[in-house]
Amino acid sequence: DAGVIQSPRHEVTEMGQEVTLRCKPISGHNSLFWYRQTMMRGLELLIYFNNNVPIDDSGMPEDRFSAKMPNASFSTLKIQPSEPRDSAVYFCASSLDPRRDEQYFGPGTRLTVT
Amino acid sequence: SQQGEEDPQALSIQEGENATMNCSYKTSINNLQWYRQNSGRGLVHLILIRSNEREKHSGRLRVTLDTSKKSSSLLITASRAADTASYFCAPISSGSARQLTFGSGTQLTVLP
Repeated sequence: DAGVIQSPRHEVTEMGQEVTLRCKPISGHNSLFWYRQTMMRGLELLIYFNNNVPIDDSGMPEDRFSAKMPNASFSTLKIQPSEPRDSAVYFCASSLDPRRDEQYFGPGTRLTVT
Repeated sequence: SQQGEEDPQALSIQEGENATMNCSYKTSINNLQWYRQNSGRGLVHLILIRSNEREKHSGRLRVTLDTSKKSSSLLITASRAADTASYFCAPISSGSARQLTFGSGTQLTVLP
């Protein structure tokens, strides 16, 4: 298996623009997680899905952030409009069963908003 | 979910020495996981220890769990420069919330 796939790996955009980050989880995994990592705040859980259904989105910072999982093999995290403080590395992770099994992380998307 | 607190925040050792990192948590757990993150990369799962286990080994890694003290330790023996990374613990609660919450981690530097 190729592991968790994220795209793009790097994104540079101007403030106010819409940004869409993509994730393909490991086949067969039924849980998917979006994290954000910054030097100031560390690694934060934004949202997680179980069987394509959002279970907990309490970590989503504000309404500018939205996430979807239209099917078991694809998820998006959208920021609209983007702001400089959204600059961070965004990780996607998947798990077979997060209650017992480990999470597998993607390589991350480094987002820079100027 | 609950967050693990890693200690120390930073650790610098010579190659060949052992490195010990500690993790404390607050409420009862189902299991506790350790992850490593190399600079600029995603987290990589290292080892999972269940609440009914006291010690677990994987290669040069040794993890202990003391549920009475709500603490865990990760020992890396015979460290190598390639072990330089940040290490995070993630306690998985026994309750309904099962997602991982990470602390600030321990930054380990192994000097050649």
